[in-house]
Amino acid sequence: QSVLTQPPSVSAAPGQTVTISCSGSGSNFESDDVSWYQQVPGTAPKLLIYDNTKRPSGIPDRFSGSKSGTSATLDITGLQTGDGADYYCATWDTSLSDVLFGGGTKVTVL
Amino acid sequence: QVQLVQSGAEVKRPGSSVKVSCKTSGYNFINYGIGWVRQAPGQGLEWMGGILPIVDRPNYARRFRGRVTITADKPTTTASMELTSLTSEDTALYYCARAGIPNYTPGRDYFDYWGQGALVIVSS
Repeated sequence: QSVLTQPPSVSAAPGQTVTISCSGSGSNFESDDVSWYQQVPGTAPKLLIYDNTKRPSGIPDRFSGSKSGTSATLDITGLQTGDGADYYCATWDTSLSDVLFGGGTKVTVL
Repeated sequence: QVQLVQSGAEVKRPGSSVKVSCKTSGYNFINYGIGWVRQAPGQGLEWMGGILPIVDRPNYARRFRGRVTITADKPTTTASMELTSLTSEDTALYYCARAGIPNYTPGRDYFDYWGQGALVIVSS
């Protein structure tokens, strides 16, 4: 049972912007950083955002992350058909000493 | 380049055990933690635990403690995950992933490289 809550799905037309939220309880969000992963069906997850806002080399700046209090957000601007995938947020829960993953959000490009 | 190559698919009987390996290359194995994450069919990602080879002391997710063993073999730069007392609910893709920050407890930061996944099917 995940304690990081994401919307099950979001959709938008090519070129538009989607926002994916990730909300959690105070113990896991306020003290630790959030990362985001993209998983195209049939492939392994891929790191998109780490330390709340940073992008690994090779990730376009269309992907951006933010965090405030007990909520984090992933924005995808200029949506492309290749962005259709599942997106997961993750963080370390200090009280449980466990990694928590959100339930995932399916992005559909209309 | 960093690579994590996992062992192949397995079919196991309920009650048995499975061991999945993760052969790494392209970086200093002992200084980067390896985490294990599984994904049941049609479901999300689930953390199982990890190990930092230089410390060689694994950390396990609460729900798997007592049933999972994670090891790191430095000479072969291979990490392994063994899961016992399998049930049908353990049918999943099992991924290994490298921690993004060196010398850090796996899971406390992020995972920057992932293996291709190993499918484990538990069926009688």
